[in-house]
Amino acid sequence: DVVMTQSPLSLPVTLGQPASLSCRSSQSLVHSDGNTYLNWFQQRPGRSPRRLIYQVSNRDSGVPDRFSGSGSGTDFTLKISRVEAEDVGVYYCMQATHWPPITFGQGTRLEIK
Amino acid sequence: EQLVESGGGLVQPGGSLRLSCAASGFAFSSYDMNWVRQAPGKGLEWLSYISSSGSTIYYADSVKGRFTISRDNAKNSLYLQMNSLRVEDTAIYYCSGPGLPWGQGTLVTVSS
Repeated sequence: DVVMTQSPLSLPVTLGQPASLSCRSSQSLVHSDGNTYLNWFQQRPGRSPRRLIYQVSNRDSGVPDRFSGSGSGTDFTLKISRVEAEDVGVYYCMQATHWPPITFGQGTRLEIK
Repeated sequence: EQLVESGGGLVQPGGSLRLSCAASGFAFSSYDMNWVRQAPGKGLEWLSYISSSGSTIYYADSVKGRFTISRDNAKNSLYLQMNSLRVEDTAIYYCSGPGLPWGQGTLVTVSS
């Protein structure tokens, strides 16, 4: 199974400052079809998860452009250009390249400093 | 586009439950679907996948042989039959599909 490792586990950020969340996979997530099936999810407190980014860098509809995804192979990053109060929550990366099983990272908890 | 899970509740270890997921606002029969769960205070765990036609099914090792995924495209519904439930199956259960908004989930509590 592909192990997804996120860091840091907790990320205090000042409002208006950038944030960078890391996700590493135990093997390359490049699929034989050439795509990389790495998604990012946001889970606000008390809410269901919401997909923000699919295939490394594609923002879902309605996701603010302050969120961006990047990376390749085994190293991926979610960046928030200027953190807002509504961004507080837990962020998960997920791979669907080598599956089953689909696997998630353990999550990064973003909080306001 | 909406997914609404139901069927959760309190059950004793060894018991059974059947979860449902009602889909609306999109062409359900065209979507592959998954069940994902989240234990209290923990992360997300993928459980099971079913293709749009129902012909392909996968399970996580943690539920293989105990849980059964199914769907009824005529009823726009996804199901998860859960047997031989364990205390560690206590979680919020979500149905999900690619690009679809997640529902509120349904809470399953396994306790004596």
